[in-house]
Amino acid sequence: SQTIHQWPATLVQPVGSPLSLECTVEGTSNPNLYWYRQAAGRGLQLLFYSVGIGQISSEVPQNLSASRPQDRQFILSSKKLLLSDSGFYLCAWMAEVLGGELFFGEGSRLTVL
Amino acid sequence: GIQVEQSPPDLILQEGANSTLRCNFSDSVNNLQWFHQNPWGQLINLFYIPSGTKQNGRLSATTVATERYSLLYISSSQTTDSGVYFCAVETASGAGSYQLTFGKGTKLSVIP
Repeated sequence: SQTIHQWPATLVQPVGSPLSLECTVEGTSNPNLYWYRQAAGRGLQLLFYSVGIGQISSEVPQNLSASRPQDRQFILSSKKLLLSDSGFYLCAWMAEVLGGELFFGEGSRLTVL
Repeated sequence: GIQVEQSPPDLILQEGANSTLRCNFSDSVNNLQWFHQNPWGQLINLFYIPSGTKQNGRLSATTVATERYSLLYISSSQTTDSGVYFCAVETASGAGSYQLTFGKGTKLSVIP
C-alpha cells in the first residue's frame, strides 16, 4: 500500500533563518506531488506541485521554493523565513492511474518568531 | 478560477444528531473529494465522488454535477466526528492538471 511521510512535524525558527521540509511517498511510482499551506483560519492554499523529477510549478509568488530531486521525494525550502511563513504545511500525492484521488501527509507546523 | 463555497461555516451538534454539509462550486468539475481534518491537523480522505452517491458507515455523500453541488451526510454523530470538513474540486476545464481547489471548510463540533 502507499504511504506518505513528511518531517519535521513541528518547527520553531527565527526570522531570517533557512527552512527545509521533506516529504517522501512509498508504494507508488511517478506520483504527482503537492505542497499546501494552511494558515490560521482553515483555508488550504496550493503552493507548488510537481508532475515529475525536476518539474516544479509554482502557484503563489513568495520566498519559498520546492524541489523534486527523486521520483518520490519533494522538498520545500526557504533561504530566509518571514513571520508570514508561519503555518501548517501539508504534502500530498496523487496517482493519475488511480483516478485523481489526493492523499495527504501528517503535516509540519512551522512557527516563525 | 473556480469558486468553492461550503456551508454552514460552523456547526454544533448534540451527540446522536444528524447533519448535512453542503459544497457549491461555480464550474463543471471532474474531480471532487471530501476530507475530514481531525484536531491534530491530519486530513483524512472521506469520499472521492465527482458524481453519484457513496456511503461509508454513518457517512454518505452525493454529488449532483449538473447542478454544481455536493452534500455530505453525517448520521448519528459522535464526538470523534468533530473537526473541519473540506470539499475540494478540480475543474473539468483544467482536466489533466490534477490541481484541487479547496473550500474554506465547515467546522463541526459534536458535544456529548
